Amino acid sequence: EAQVTQNPRYLITVTGKKLTVTCSQNMNHEYMSWYRQDPGLGLRQIYYSMNVEVTDKGDVPEGYKVSRKEKRNFPLILESPSPNQTSLYFCASSFGSAGSPLHFGNGTRLTVT
Amino acid sequence: KQEVTQIPAALSVPEGENLVLNCSFTDSAIYNLQWFRQDPGKGLTSLLLIQSSQREQTSGRLNASLDKSSGRSTLYIAASQPGDSATYLCAVSGGDLNGSWGKLQFGAGTQVVVTP
Repeated sequence: EAQVTQNPRYLITVTGKKLTVTCSQNMNHEYMSWYRQDPGLGLRQIYYSMNVEVTDKGDVPEGYKVSRKEKRNFPLILESPSPNQTSLYFCASSFGSAGSPLHFGNGTRLTVT
Repeated sequence: KQEVTQIPAALSVPEGENLVLNCSFTDSAIYNLQWFRQDPGKGLTSLLLIQSSQREQTSGRLNASLDKSSGRSTLYIAASQPGDSATYLCAVSGGDLNGSWGKLQFGAGTQVVVTP
């Protein structure tokens, strides 16, 4: 089944403890991206990647890192999480052409205490 | 910077009525515009995608139009059903051929309730 898989689905951690949220797609998509969704602020793009080894900042990249070493994986790294990074995170992918729709993962709910 | 607005924020209609959802954007240089559906606690599902060169797309009871010159898109859902209750979001992808098409801006969404 074609899908975008995020892990974990739920994560509770403490301030300053490094964490990684994984994202993997099995559709051979070139484009991958990360978003956070907050009440009243909607979905905001964190980082995106046009292809392997090509990444760029979205609107809210501060406090996050990404890497794209393989086509199928695009992990989101929080080196020193803070409470303001408590949010619902989504990963998405597409072929990257103008007519290619985005496919979303089911989300990761992160709580930083 | 591209700004995307969706009005209204919430909408309640009786079953059978047609739904009209609006999305406006400030920069007409777009790559494409997508409409998504989000159910509570779930990810987003793509409904329709309109490329920059297109004026509309249709899928079943759904029809989306795009008017770049006025910075507007409208999603029509015909003969609404209780199962259409969800939040509907639009997203605009930038149109810079140097690569900024990868940047997406989302509207805040319209929460729709269809009552039986």
